[in-house]
Amino acid sequence: DIQMTQSPSSLSASVGDRVTITCQASQDISNYLNWYQQKPGKAPKLLIYDASNLETGVPSRFSGSGSGTDFTFTISSLQPEDIATYYCQQYDNLPAYTFGQGTKLEIK
Amino acid sequence: EVQLVQSGAEVKKPGESLKISCKGSGYSFTSYWIGWVRQMPGKGLEWMGIIYPGDSDTRYSPSFQGQVTISADKSISTAYLQWSSLKASDTAMYYCARGNTAIRYWGQGTLVTVSS
Repeated sequence: DIQMTQSPSSLSASVGDRVTITCQASQDISNYLNWYQQKPGKAPKLLIYDASNLETGVPSRFSGSGSGTDFTFTISSLQPEDIATYYCQQYDNLPAYTFGQGTKLEIK
Repeated sequence: EVQLVQSGAEVKKPGESLKISCKGSGYSFTSYWIGWVRQMPGKGLEWMGIIYPGDSDTRYSPSFQGQVTISADKSISTAYLQWSSLKASDTAMYYCARGNTAIRYWGQGTLVTVSS
């Protein structure tokens, strides 16, 4: 299986801060990586697909980059409504898609 | 509007069987893969497996192979996840999700509680 190592596991930041989350794959997955946001009691929501493409309707403060094994997710200016847990997901290896462990984002 | 509507919460005893459902609407059900994702209490997301309702091609993540069965009835646009003998460790929220690349559509989740 492809392992996805996501860090940090938790993060506390202030409104307006730039926030960065990283995800590392155990092998080359090209750009087959998505980022999701999950709020408590809700299903995940797609934010970024194919490593760097912003999903329709998602605010432009969210962005993604990377290819191969190293990927980055960024919130350029943290807003209160961004409090959630964020997950990366690789889809290079059907059916063994894997998610990162998640990053719980809190307001400082 | 694309919708995935899952069956309601279940409370079961260890050893019992269970089948939960996910009904798709607003799109061609046979043209998109449907996957299942487990989220244990307070934990992260785990991909379980996926089915293509058009031809019932079904694939399982290695961790879930032999533990669950995924199926679909295209005549009623419904996918299923089933267990033959539940364990306490199956207690979790289960989500269905449409797609095999970017998952844009998710069910609302079905909470399964297994307790004696």
